[in-house]
Amino acid sequence: GQNIDQPTEMTATEGAIVQINCTYQTSGFNGLFWYQQHAGEAPTFLSYNVLDGLEEKGRFSSFLSRSKGYSYLLLKELQMKDSASYLCAVRDLGKLSFGAGTTVTVRA
Amino acid sequence: EAQVTQNPRYLITVTGKKLTVTCSQNMNHEYMSWYRQDPGLGLRQIYYSMNVEVTDKGDVPEGYKVSRKEKRNFPLILESPSPNQTSLYFCASSLTAPGGETQYFGPGTRLLVL
Repeated sequence: GQNIDQPTEMTATEGAIVQINCTYQTSGFNGLFWYQQHAGEAPTFLSYNVLDGLEEKGRFSSFLSRSKGYSYLLLKELQMKDSASYLCAVRDLGKLSFGAGTTVTVRA
Repeated sequence: EAQVTQNPRYLITVTGKKLTVTCSQNMNHEYMSWYRQDPGLGLRQIYYSMNVEVTDKGDVPEGYKVSRKEKRNFPLILESPSPNQTSLYFCASSLTAPGGETQYFGPGTRLLVL
């Protein structure tokens, strides 16, 4: 089966940086995704890593190490609107498996 | 406008009464899938389809059926719903494989089984 772990909750101050870690053990690997989900809404795509290294996209960056089964999402210059749940997901051919999500609370 | 639509958005039903949640996409996507989301468990894939008449089980298929007779539609069928199927359901479509910028999620269907 798939096992994807991420912290349940994180709190940070507006303007700060937060790093959300994700570790995975899956039977196959065709890419890792990060999504943002606000309460009651559908997830929205943030980033995609298939090769080792860092992908940067504005205030958001994501890192992948396939040998360690590890990824992180880095959120810089936090804003109040970044308060949401962040989901790590691993693709294995047609299957997409998600972690339970990390709720990030941004405080003024 | 590119979109995935789901109906109904909210449904209250009773144990054992068959129901269907419809999902339709207007982007000519090959791939469609169904997920359920429960507190503390995240999104879990129920079934997926890589093209017309091609479907496969996700991580939690028990108690559900799907069909893909047309490219645009991928209904989720609960033949005999039970209270443990109370959940928030999302349909998604993507151009080829799941995930990424080409994946679109529907708005979700909240199901309560009494």
